[in-house]
Amino acid sequence: SAVISQKPSRDICQRGTSLTIQCQVDSQVTMMFWYRQQPGQSLTLIATANQGSEATYESGFVIDKFPISRPNLTFSTLTVSNMSPEDSSIYLCSVKGAGGVGELFFGEGSRLTVL
Amino acid sequence: QQQVKQSPQSLIVQKGGISIINCAYENTAFDYFPWYQQFPGKGPALLIAIRPDVSEKKEGRFTISFNKSAKQFSLHIMDSQPGDSATYFCAASMGNDMRFGAGTRLTVKP
Repeated sequence: SAVISQKPSRDICQRGTSLTIQCQVDSQVTMMFWYRQQPGQSLTLIATANQGSEATYESGFVIDKFPISRPNLTFSTLTVSNMSPEDSSIYLCSVKGAGGVGELFFGEGSRLTVL
Repeated sequence: QQQVKQSPQSLIVQKGGISIINCAYENTAFDYFPWYQQFPGKGPALLIAIRPDVSEKKEGRFTISFNKSAKQFSLHIMDSQPGDSATYFCAASMGNDMRFGAGTRLTVKP
């Protein structure tokens, strides 16, 4: 399994501000995935981040709102821009297992509360 | 769109009982079916997974039953313990596309 560290673990933000979440993995991975988990809800994929190319966004998510960086094979950031209370969620970074069977491993998540 | 339907939304079981959570999927191209366990304040952790060429997989007290023709799979937790109280998500994936069910909040009463 992969060890995934996320920062911050939680934050309280003001409406209209932006926050960048960092994700560090203990091994090199081709793809990193960013998920959103709204309160009491399931996980929704925001985007897939590949090193050296633009992130691929899922329907309903746009780069202007959720810009992603992927500077190397162990690190990625997700920025939540111009936040509103509706952005209050847990944001999760994940990577695929090295075994190639398809499993995803998740970080502990970053819980954002927007006031 | 909802590609994986999970039920029940919540479940209360007595200690020592059997917890059963069900999922149904739509896309027959899915080829990997994991279950995740999530405790409050933590990220989801892979619990057990199955591929469609197998009808059942057991790991300790956790068993996945898989019915390919019905496009359904379920998680059985035998001898449920209070420490099993968590939210459980089923998922279905193909390649890099993994879809999650809505989650089941399990409470095991002592």
